[in-house]
Amino acid sequence: EVVLTQSPGTLSLSPGERATLSCRASQSVSNNLAWYQQKPGQAPRLLIYDASYRAAGIPDRFSGTGSGTDFTLTINRLEPEDFALYYCQHYGTSRSFGQGTKVDI
Amino acid sequence: EVRLVESGGGLVQPGGSLRLSCAVSGLTFENYWMSWVRQAPGKGLEWVAYIKQDGSEKYYVDSVKGRFTISRDNAKKSLYLQMNSLRAEDTALYYCARGHKGLEFWGQGTTVTVSS
Repeated sequence: EVVLTQSPGTLSLSPGERATLSCRASQSVSNNLAWYQQKPGQAPRLLIYDASYRAAGIPDRFSGTGSGTDFTLTINRLEPEDFALYYCQHYGTSRSFGQGTKVDI
Repeated sequence: EVRLVESGGGLVQPGGSLRLSCAVSGLTFENYWMSWVRQAPGKGLEWVAYIKQDGSEKYYVDSVKGRFTISRDNAKKSLYLQMNSLRAEDTALYYCARGHKGLEFWGQGTTVTVSS
């Protein structure tokens, strides 16, 4: 089973700053990795799939990089609505989520 | 309008059973893998199970293998999760979601509480 470890647990930033979130896999997942945003009381929202492709309707300030075991989600010029929880997920035969990173003001 | 609407959650005693349903409208159902994902109160997301387009392949997280069964009815555009031998640790909000390379559409979830 692939274990995904996200860091940091919490990222305290201000609007306009850049957020850099990390997701590390316990074994290679190639580029089979997605990123989600979740706000309180809402279902998750797909941001990135295949490690670097933005989902439909996602602003270009969100970008994903990486392959193998190390992945990064970057949010440029944080907007107030970007303060939320972020999860990575891999989608091989088994699937799992990371434990999440909270982007906080 | 895209809608995924889960139902069937509720309060059940340990060892009991529930069947969750997810009715899909406004988007193609039969061409996509479908998943169940859960979220315990105040916790992160946990993928539970997913099923291939025609139902021929199903995969489960280890903690539910042998207790949960995922199924689908493409004619009814519906996804199901039969949950048996429920445990306290199965208490969560259960979401259905569509997608294979990332889950692009989600319902709002149905709550399952396992308690005596």
